[in-house]
Amino acid sequence: GENVEQHPSTLSVQEGDSAVIKCTYSDSASNYFPWYKQELGKGPQLIIDIRSNVGEKKDQRIAVTLNKTAKHFSLHITETQPEDSAVYFCASTDSWGKFQFGAGTQVVVTP
Amino acid sequence: DAGVIQSPRHEVTEMGQEVTLRCKPISGHNSLFWYRQTMMRGLELLIYFNNNVPIDDSGMPEDRFSAKMPNASFSTLKIQPSEPRDSAVYFCASSSSRSGSTRGGEQFFGPGTRLTVL
Repeated sequence: GENVEQHPSTLSVQEGDSAVIKCTYSDSASNYFPWYKQELGKGPQLIIDIRSNVGEKKDQRIAVTLNKTAKHFSLHITETQPEDSAVYFCASTDSWGKFQFGAGTQVVVTP
Repeated sequence: DAGVIQSPRHEVTEMGQEVTLRCKPISGHNSLFWYRQTMMRGLELLIYFNNNVPIDDSGMPEDRFSAKMPNASFSTLKIQPSEPRDSAVYFCASSSSRSGSTRGGEQFFGPGTRLTVL
C-alpha cells in the first residue's frame, strides 16, 4: 500500500524566516496531495493542496511543490509568524482514493 | 455551514464499558471517514463510507470496533468493550466525491472526540 514519509518531525524557526517540510510517497497512481494544519485541541484543517497535473501552487505565504518523477512534494511557508506554530501533515491518495497521512511536523515559530 | 459535528468532545470511561462516538457530516457530502489519532501511530483511517455504504473497513483494529451510517447525515463508531489502549482522539471527516469515488477530494475534519479509557 501507499507509504508517506514526512520530514522533519520537528522544526523550529525564527519569526520571519522560512519553513520547509518535505514528504515522499510510493504509489505512482497518487494524484492528489493535500497539506493539513492541526492546532492544539482541534481537527486538521486543509491549508493547501496540489494535484498531479500541477508542479507548484501558491497561496499568499504558503506554497507547495510537486515532483512526480521523484515522488516527493514539499510545503513552503515564508515570513513565518507565531500563529503558524502547529503540527502540519502531508497526505497523498492511494490507488483506492484513500488518504495516507505523513507522521506530522511540529513547527514552532519563535518571536 | 456548521462543518463536521462530533459528539461528545470528551469521553472518559472505564475498561469494559461500551463507547459510542457520533458524527454529523457536512450537508451534501457523500463520503465519511473515521480516523484515530495517537502519538505512536499518528492519523490512522479506520473506516470510510460512500453514499452510506461501508467501502473499506480494513483499518478497524478489532471486532470490538463497529461503525454504522444509517443515513446521509449521521454516523456512529462504537467500541464494545473498550480497553485502555483505545484511548485516542477520534476524528470524523467528510468529503464530496464524484461518481462514488473518494479520489482526490478535500476532506473536512470535525473537532474530534478525545476518548480516555481507564
